[in-house]
Amino acid sequence: DQQVKQNSPSLSVQEGRISILNCDYTNSMFDYFLWYKKYPAEGPTFLISISSIKDKNEDGRFTVFLNKSAKHLSLHIVPSQPGDSAVYFCAASARYAGNNRKLIWGLGTSLAVNP
Amino acid sequence: ETGVTQTPRHLVMGMTNKKSLKCEQHLGHNAMYWYKQSAKKPLELMFVYNFKEQTENNSVPSRFSPECPNSSHLFLHLHTLQPEDSALYLCASSQRDRTNYNEQFFGPGTRLTVL
Repeated sequence: DQQVKQNSPSLSVQEGRISILNCDYTNSMFDYFLWYKKYPAEGPTFLISISSIKDKNEDGRFTVFLNKSAKHLSLHIVPSQPGDSAVYFCAASARYAGNNRKLIWGLGTSLAVNP
Repeated sequence: ETGVTQTPRHLVMGMTNKKSLKCEQHLGHNAMYWYKQSAKKPLELMFVYNFKEQTENNSVPSRFSPECPNSSHLFLHLHTLQPEDSALYLCASSQRDRTNYNEQFFGPGTRLTVL
């Protein structure tokens, strides 16, 4: 059973428009959420994160929104640029066994930004 | 070298071969991870090393054998693999402390093909 779900395998947007990538989770123990971006032939790179005590975190063109009651988060990219074309992974972090933490990953959404 | 490096980038091996994947992190982190990324599946955590000690083994078959000689280096020794083990193997590192939410830094991965 997938605890972190990215239901859209792909998304295509026009350059300059907003890209919205969605992520749903099932485990209420998750208290920190991260977005990673992955280009072909490279490992994922950290993009932006949000703690469960917040509902919004912004970093330049990237904003993550968290709706805890709906167990839903979204990544907004505005304006979208062709260089943003990549696979975006949502990951959720939970504490277990004392001070240990585990990241649970979604399947990813492939974003294509068209010029 | 900066960040997390992995060698080789590509590996083709037969089922009777023995090979090793190497990972090195230049970030001064104290935790290192091996992940497996197969098509249509989320990133699967295989092993976690915290201060050179293995703290997690996610029911990985014994044909995968990790080794962490120091906090900067991580190996994955492979022997008698199966074709279904073909995947992208990613190494990551992080700084684990009481306030860290497990933001991980990834290497570029090794694309493994088992014939």
